[in-house]
Amino acid sequence: NAGVTQTPKFRVLKTGQSMTLLCAQDMNHEYMYWYRQDPGMGLRLIHYSVGEGTTAKGEVPDGYNVSRLKKQNFLLGLESAAPSQTSVYFCASSYGESWSYNSPLHFGNGTRLTVT
Amino acid sequence: AQSVTQLDSQVPVFEEAPVELRCNYSSSVSVYLFWYVQYPNQGLQLLLKYLSGSTLVKGINGFEAEFNKSQTSFHLRKPSVHISDTAEYFCAVSANFGNEKLTFGTGTRLTIIP
Repeated sequence: NAGVTQTPKFRVLKTGQSMTLLCAQDMNHEYMYWYRQDPGMGLRLIHYSVGEGTTAKGEVPDGYNVSRLKKQNFLLGLESAAPSQTSVYFCASSYGESWSYNSPLHFGNGTRLTVT
Repeated sequence: AQSVTQLDSQVPVFEEAPVELRCNYSSSVSVYLFWYVQYPNQGLQLLLKYLSGSTLVKGINGFEAEFNKSQTSFHLRKPSVHISDTAEYFCAVSANFGNEKLTFGTGTRLTIIP
């Protein structure tokens, strides 16, 4: 039981390059999330999904796209990377709403992205 | 919308001493409150949560938190810390209805001094 797995763990991009971050969960969770973590700013929600084939914008969606073609996978794409997107990206999943009683968020170990 | 304030960005504490990490929230509706912990080079994991009932909530690793509605606070405490408690701690809040998502605070880095 791997939980939430993120690939890659590290990546360096040049400005303007594109990349996709992959998140996979094996807990049959309906909800999946992408957060970015920046010093002094905590975690901010980029996009989320409430089920296969659905996506929605979070707090800071600009410059990112997502897809949830399969229930277990949630992809985060950067079409044209910018230095402001240098951050640590975390994927998380939950059984139901993140506030509900038996539905804590399960996090991956993060992807450290540097854009030069 | 709701917000969370963690006033202390860093808290150094001697081993076996008590610690309190402060969290205040703002919301116009009833909320659920959470503390998550992030150990070095790992993702976050749930430490404890307040949904309803007793205002004193006990979590893993000997931590507890008290919900104070009048002061809009949810401070985290541990009577005696260990080296293994070195981590970053995040307070989070969510409205208790609808499709509201968690809002995280900026985090408090707890450093245990041997």
